[in-house]
Amino acid sequence: GAVVSQHPSWVICKSGTSVKIECRSLDFQATTMFWYRQFPKQSLMLMATSNEGSKATYEQGVEKDKFLINHASLTLSTLTVTSAHPEDSSFYICSASGQGYSYEQYFGPGTRLTVT
Amino acid sequence: KNEVEQSPQNLTAQEGEFITINCSYSVGISALHWLQQHPGGGIVSLFMLSSGKKKHGRLIATINIQEKHSSLHITASHPRDSAVYICAVMRGGADGLTFGKGTHLIIQP
Repeated sequence: GAVVSQHPSWVICKSGTSVKIECRSLDFQATTMFWYRQFPKQSLMLMATSNEGSKATYEQGVEKDKFLINHASLTLSTLTVTSAHPEDSSFYICSASGQGYSYEQYFGPGTRLTVT
Repeated sequence: KNEVEQSPQNLTAQEGEFITINCSYSVGISALHWLQQHPGGGIVSLFMLSSGKKKHGRLIATINIQEKHSSLHITASHPRDSAVYICAVMRGGADGLTFGKGTHLIIQP
């Protein structure tokens, strides 16, 4: 089956710094990647949708200048949390879908971000 | 009101019991997903449905598009089935998912 990896699996950073999270599709070409966020004891929420080679589409309430998404190739999307604050501490998870995988999304293992 | 409602929120059962988790949604969808999330956070996609019924091993998922309702069943439940089960809907083919709050299932030996 289709495999999606994320790196790092967990990261601790200081307030004010930036953190980059990578999402890779290992064995298929992901035309669309999705970024989700999950706060403790809450459900997952869609942050943004990115299509290869074009600007990401952000959900209402998600600051595009704070959460920079780049989908430069069909196998890699990155999420950069800029000027991180403690309230950005969360579980970030990506999913990917591609040609031939109609409607199916394959999830990465997630990245747990803690901002101190 | 959330677009995706799940019930029950928590469920504890004995090993071997038949488990049913329900999901209702209030929007038009192109597909519905059932996901499993383990304590570490990782998510496994169990089923994607746009109509009818699917079966994989001891898991069965059904969907009624007219009633905007889906169920996930687990037969002969086992402690390793303990996890959070999440219902999620996709409005369009290229859309992200909207999630229910999840059902926390514990199967006791």
